[in-house]
Amino acid sequence: NAGVTQTPKFRVLKTGQSMTLLCAQDMNHEYMYWYRQDPGMGLRLIHYSVGEGTTAKGEVPDGYNVSRLKKQNFLLGLESAAPSQTSVYFCASSYGTPDDQPQHFGDGTRLSIL
Amino acid sequence: GDSVTQMEGPVTLSEEAFLTINCTYTATGYPSLFWYVQYPGEGLQLLLKATKADDKGSNKGFEATYRKETTSFHLEKGSVQVSDSAVYFCALSEGSWGKLQFGAGTQVVVTP
Repeated sequence: NAGVTQTPKFRVLKTGQSMTLLCAQDMNHEYMYWYRQDPGMGLRLIHYSVGEGTTAKGEVPDGYNVSRLKKQNFLLGLESAAPSQTSVYFCASSYGTPDDQPQHFGDGTRLSIL
Repeated sequence: GDSVTQMEGPVTLSEEAFLTINCTYTATGYPSLFWYVQYPGEGLQLLLKATKADDKGSNKGFEATYRKETTSFHLEKGSVQVSDSAVYFCALSEGSWGKLQFGAGTQVVVTP
């Protein structure tokens, strides 16, 4: 059982380049989330989705776009990478809201923007 | 808005010592409270939760009690092991939209 799989695990980009981070879950979860983790700041929600074809902004959405064309996949895009986007990115999924079901996290993508 | 404040780390302990990690929150309503744990190189995983005042969550020897009067959800373990070395995050969820608000995390290092 793979759970939540993030691709790639590491990436180095130059300022202005674009890239897409892929999150795939095999648990048939409705909810999916993208977070970034920065030292001393915990996890901050970038975007989330409550079902296939839906997306919504989180706490820090600027500079990112997302898509949920298939229920099992949630893509995070950086159109023009900036050094401030250097971070560790985590995807998570859940069957329902946190009151009912826990969020399951991937192992993270470490992204460096030079 | 909602927020979570945790004690700063790292917290360094010897094996079999007692662990407490303080967590306080600010919320407009009645949130559910959670502790998540992140082991080195891994994503977060739910450790325990409490959904209403005076509830006690427990798992793997860890406990935390939802204290509405002090807006706190402190994590405790009576006897830690080296394998408990990790970063611990306190979090809250308010409302039905499924979003979590995390604290900054507390690193715990347990030495043999």
